[in-house]
Amino acid sequence: QQQVKQSPQSLIVQKGGISIINCAYENTAFDYFPWYQQFPGKGPALLIAIRPDVSEKKEGRFTISFNKSAKQFSLHIMDSQPGDSATYFCAASKNTGFQKLVFGTGTRLLVSP
Amino acid sequence: EPEVTQTPSHQVTQMGQEVILRCVPISNHLYFYWYRQILGQKVEFLVSFYNNEISEKSEIFDDQFSVERPDGSNFTLKIRSTKLEDSAMYFCATGQGPGELFFGEGSRLTVL
Repeated sequence: QQQVKQSPQSLIVQKGGISIINCAYENTAFDYFPWYQQFPGKGPALLIAIRPDVSEKKEGRFTISFNKSAKQFSLHIMDSQPGDSATYFCAASKNTGFQKLVFGTGTRLLVSP
Repeated sequence: EPEVTQTPSHQVTQMGQEVILRCVPISNHLYFYWYRQILGQKVEFLVSFYNNEISEKSEIFDDQFSVERPDGSNFTLKIRSTKLEDSAMYFCATGQGPGELFFGEGSRLTVL
């Protein structure tokens, strides 16, 4: 029930293309869904996050789509750039003060020039 | 931009030795966490700390692990007797409350 399932494990996208990463969760108590970006040798950095009262959130080229009934959420990267090449983790938590994040298994994205 | 600072960046130790990993949180943050990432795997929650006490811990965080804020600013993770399987990247994260967590760059622990 605490798991967050993420797919695909790896993704290769041409420059300018759309990258799509999907996540699914079981625990209906989760109500905060962030995406983290991690470059090699660095810590995860928050990219964008959504709460279940909205179905979509967009920040620049990054969009989260959220389907509460299906318990799924996805990250779309529009106009993907080589600099977007990184590992992306979805996560989920309950909206309490302690923010214990449950992470997905990660997607290694490579954007080819 | 405020950041979470971790030291050391890399520590190599012999099995059975004690290790202390240190974190300087962002100054106005009240919630502190340690996460672990074994090479190539997902980030796993270890422990959360608020108001000078552990608020939650995972199954990984057994009696060999401890956390404290020894001087009110640094936040430390101690592993009393390291095992080979403790080799991982350890991330400190801090937050003001529900919402964004800021992660440090990590401390890589290698146990030989």
